[in-house]
This record gives sequence, structure tokens and C-alpha cells, in this order.
Amino acid sequence: AQSVSQHNHHVILSEAASLELGCNYSYGGTVNLFWYVQYPGQHLQLLLKYFSGDPLVKGIKGFEAEFIKSKFSFNLRKPSVQWSDTAEYFCAVNADNDMRFGAGTRLTVKP
Amino acid sequence: EAGVAQSPRYKIIEKRQSVAFWCNPISGHATLYWYQQILGQGPKLLIQFQNNGVVDDSQLPKDRFSAERLKGVDSTLKIQPAKLEDSAVYLCASSPQQGLNTEAFFGQGTRLTVV
Repeated sequence: AQSVSQHNHHVILSEAASLELGCNYSYGGTVNLFWYVQYPGQHLQLLLKYFSGDPLVKGIKGFEAEFIKSKFSFNLRKPSVQWSDTAEYFCAVNADNDMRFGAGTRLTVKP
Repeated sequence: EAGVAQSPRYKIIEKRQSVAFWCNPISGHATLYWYQQILGQGPKLLIQFQNNGVVDDSQLPKDRFSAERLKGVDSTLKIQPAKLEDSAVYLCASSPQQGLNTEAFFGQGTRLTVV
């Protein structure tokens, strides 16, 4: 069965710092890749998704992610984080009709 | 467009009691998912429906959990009897179709506490 690994459990940054959250998956076939965000007290929301085409995907709120097929990775980036980015971030992989989530990374941005 | 509706938002029960959660997906979405999210972990798929048929229930603890989507629209998830380790947020999600090239839309979840 496929698995999804998120490398960082909790990341603490100051405002304006750059962000990169790692995500790796184990599945050799065609995949769809997602990053979801969960703000405190709110439901999961889609940040961005990759189905095919350009491996550099731009999402909402200035986030982007790059699919590197050879590394089975889909890392999330943002050049300059804001206090309002404080949330939990989940990487998800859909493969063969099987959607799996990583354990999540909690991001705390200090004002 | 209305999102995925779930109720109740919160539920506290004693162990060995029964509980049921309800989900109404986005109108027209054929695929419905139930996930369990334990504190500090990512969502884990419990069951996936395509219309009123079960696509995947391999991770559903069938001795105590059951789910149905009789008319292919809304769905209920039941736990009977509940255990302490069932304390979690139960998320419902829907998507227009199953398979690749589709995204899931999530409801706000039901937070279950078993005491």
C-alpha cells in the first residue's frame, strides 16, 4: 500500500521567513498530489493540486509546490510567510483510487 | 455552492455507547468518503462510496463501525459500541467522481470524545 511522509512535525518561523515543507510518497504509478491546509477550528481546505503537466504548481495565498517524480516528492513552498499562515498542513496522494494523507505539519508563525 | 454538511459538530459519549454521524455531500457529487482523524495524525480513510455502493472499506473496523449511503446522497457513519480509542474527528468529504484527476471537498467534521 502506498504511504505519505511529511518530514516535519512542527515548524516555527518568524514572519517574512521562507517556508518549505517536505512531502514524499511511495507509489510507482500515476498519482494526483495535493496540499491541504487546516486553520484552527476550520475544515480542511485545498491549497493546491497537481494532476499533470507543469510540475511547478501555484496555489492560493502565495503557496506553490514542485512535483519531482524522480524523488517521489511534492514539497510545499512559500517565499514569505505571514502570521495568518499559522495552521496545519497536510500532503495527500491519490493513487489508484486510494487517497492517503501524511501525518501533517503544524506551522506556527511568530509575529 | 453549499459545501459538505456534517452533524453534529461535537459529541461526547461514554464507552460502550453508540453514536451516529450524518453527512450531506455537495450536490451532484457521486463519491463520498469518511475519514477518521486522530489528534496529531493525518486523516485515515474509513470508507469510500461511489453513489450507493462501497468502493473501499478495507480500513473500516467492521466489528464496531458501519456506514451506509442508501440513496446515493447523504450518508451515516455509526459506531457501536464505542471505545476510548475512537475519540477523533470524523471527516466527511465528497468529490464529483472517483479515481484520478478529481479533488475531495471536506466538511467541518464531527469531534467525538469517548469517556
